[in-house]
Amino acid sequence: EPEVTQTPSHQVTQMGQEVILRCVPISNHLYFYWYRQILGQKVEFLVSFYNNEISEKSEIFDDQFSVERPDGSNFTLKIRSTKLEDSAMYFCASSQSGSNEQYFGPGTRLTVT
Amino acid sequence: GESVGLHLPTLSVQEGDNSIINCAYSNSASDYFIWYKQESGKGPQFIIDIRSNMDKRQGQRVTVLLNKTVKHLSLQIAATQPGDSAVYFCAENGADNYGQNFVFGPGTRLSVLP
Repeated sequence: EPEVTQTPSHQVTQMGQEVILRCVPISNHLYFYWYRQILGQKVEFLVSFYNNEISEKSEIFDDQFSVERPDGSNFTLKIRSTKLEDSAMYFCASSQSGSNEQYFGPGTRLTVT
Repeated sequence: GESVGLHLPTLSVQEGDNSIINCAYSNSASDYFIWYKQESGKGPQFIIDIRSNMDKRQGQRVTVLLNKTVKHLSLQIAATQPGDSAVYFCAENGADNYGQNFVFGPGTRLSVLP
């Protein structure tokens, strides 16, 4: 069964550094998403991406964040100048259509020290 | 504002019993709802979905009920098994956006007792 993959599984970075979280969505999916889940809290939507551009983003997704689909398979989330409060699990998801079942990856645990 | 919430943060059931997990939503414009299961250390896993033009949908051992009048969603798990132990989230999309911004509830932890 096809699945969404994410790398790395755990990323530790120092405050102020930039990180790039990587995702490989399911190959025939057209919509891609990033969510985050701070420890013990609910999953929060960050951004959705379709046709090589952002289609929706939340208030959390400010200028510190950016997404990119650099090639036909990868989907990345860049976080600039990381802060302690950016520590969370970051989940990538993909779906065939924009309002359909989203398949989630296993997540990347980001720890900012 | 939009919000999705859960009545019961924790639920313990005996193995073999049926489980019912509830969810309240506030955005009456939402037209698509999903239940997710999240096991420790893993990403959310799709269980079942329902669109607003339906009241009930059944899957394998799971049933989702939607009551639009009171904006309530429930997930019923039949013959609960130890492998069902996880946190269950409901999520809704608002029809007042492109429908991609899913709002998740805080989750209910289901514990299956032997």
